[in-house]
Amino acid sequence: DVKVTQSSRYLVKRTGEKVFLECVQDMDHENMFWYRQDPGLGLRLIYFSYDVKMKEKGDIPEGYSVSREKKERFSLILESASTNQTSMYLCASRGDRLYEQYFGPGTRLTVT
Amino acid sequence: GEDVEQSLFLSVREGDSSVINCTYTDSSSTYLYWYKQEPGAGLQLLTYIFSNMDMKQDQRLTVLLNKKDKHLSLRIADTQTGDSAIYFCAVQTNDYKLSFGAGTTVTVRA
Repeated sequence: DVKVTQSSRYLVKRTGEKVFLECVQDMDHENMFWYRQDPGLGLRLIYFSYDVKMKEKGDIPEGYSVSREKKERFSLILESASTNQTSMYLCASRGDRLYEQYFGPGTRLTVT
Repeated sequence: GEDVEQSLFLSVREGDSSVINCTYTDSSSTYLYWYKQEPGAGLQLLTYIFSNMDMKQDQRLTVLLNKKDKHLSLRIADTQTGDSAIYFCAVQTNDYKLSFGAGTTVTVRA
């Protein structure tokens, strides 16, 4: 069974703080993704990575950066958190087959 | 970019069939998916269909694809209380990008 884990289920941070969201997968997948989920908007792709140290911007990368130093771990970084980044953040990983994208349980981030 | 639209809410009686509809704009999409999200959880892949297929059946789930109208639907037969969740339609627009609809909240009433 594929397992995608995220470091926190709930996180509360203050405006201006640097925030790290961690995602780990155990299936040796090349591809990893970060999405944010907002009511009425569905999921929007922030960044993805198709290999170690490789990253590509998704649809809404502004205010975020990512790091992929090891194959199993993909980190999302909010350099200076703002209230409009309050959201649910979902990590996903995928191997070669397009139809096998697996999601983590999500991190609900509140920025006050 | 790709637009994926689905209605936001569906209420269905237990034991009835549910039908969730989705429309999309990119005719070159390869795979189309239905994901389920239960409260407080991540997304779980329910089923998918390849773009050269019209229909796919998997136990209580039936997916219909009308490529001409760019319309995808998910039918859940004999809907149960455990089917209450948010259902997302998603379309593969390239090797790395899934475009999601806003999600349909399905409520099953006794």
